[in-house]
Amino acid sequence: NAGVTQTPKFQVLKTGQSMTLQCAQDMNHNSMYWYRQDPGMGLRLIYYSASEGTTDKGEVPNGYNVSRLNKREFSLRLESAAPSQTSVYFCASSEKLTAHYGYTFGSGTRLTVV
Amino acid sequence: DAKTTQPTSMDCAEGRAANLPCNHSTISGNEYVYWYRQIHSQGPQYIIHGLKNNETNEMASLIITEDRKSSTLILPHATLRDTAVYYCIVREHNAGNMLTFGGGTRLMVKP
Repeated sequence: NAGVTQTPKFQVLKTGQSMTLQCAQDMNHNSMYWYRQDPGMGLRLIYYSASEGTTDKGEVPNGYNVSRLNKREFSLRLESAAPSQTSVYFCASSEKLTAHYGYTFGSGTRLTVV
Repeated sequence: DAKTTQPTSMDCAEGRAANLPCNHSTISGNEYVYWYRQIHSQGPQYIIHGLKNNETNEMASLIITEDRKSSTLILPHATLRDTAVYYCIVREHNAGNMLTFGGGTRLMVKP
């Protein structure tokens, strides 16, 4: 029962480097999400995908791009990393956007940009 | 979405009930109350949700006041593993309305 799997778990980048955070879910969920969480703060939505083939901006999309590769996978790309993007990134999925029973979250990717 | 107000932190003795309050005085008629928790370094975990009636599941009970302006999450017998940040979220149940997390309440369960 893997649920939502994120890779890598930890990453250190230099300013200006690029990288892709991977997320996969095995629950046949339609909707997927990327959040970031800064120290001592709540989660903020970066991008979401209501269903395969669609993506939309959330609250803080600047500096990020996403790809819904297929129903299982939703990746987050940082094209040119900045220190302000140092954060913990969580991927989540739900049966659909209006899912009552909530989102299932991954265990997070801890990213440091130096 | 209506805003919520929660205490920043609370303590609870192990084995006792933990009662976590949440004010949502501007809640609208079609907004649900959701509770999630985040144990240190992990992703948030869904606990329970409700609209008007009190709800109970294997994890917790949710008590919503009659005017729906506040609610209380009850962990009936808190354990050390319940130490976490608890988020109260009000959300309209329709497409395009994502979960929005505020600061939450940091619950510390003490031996």
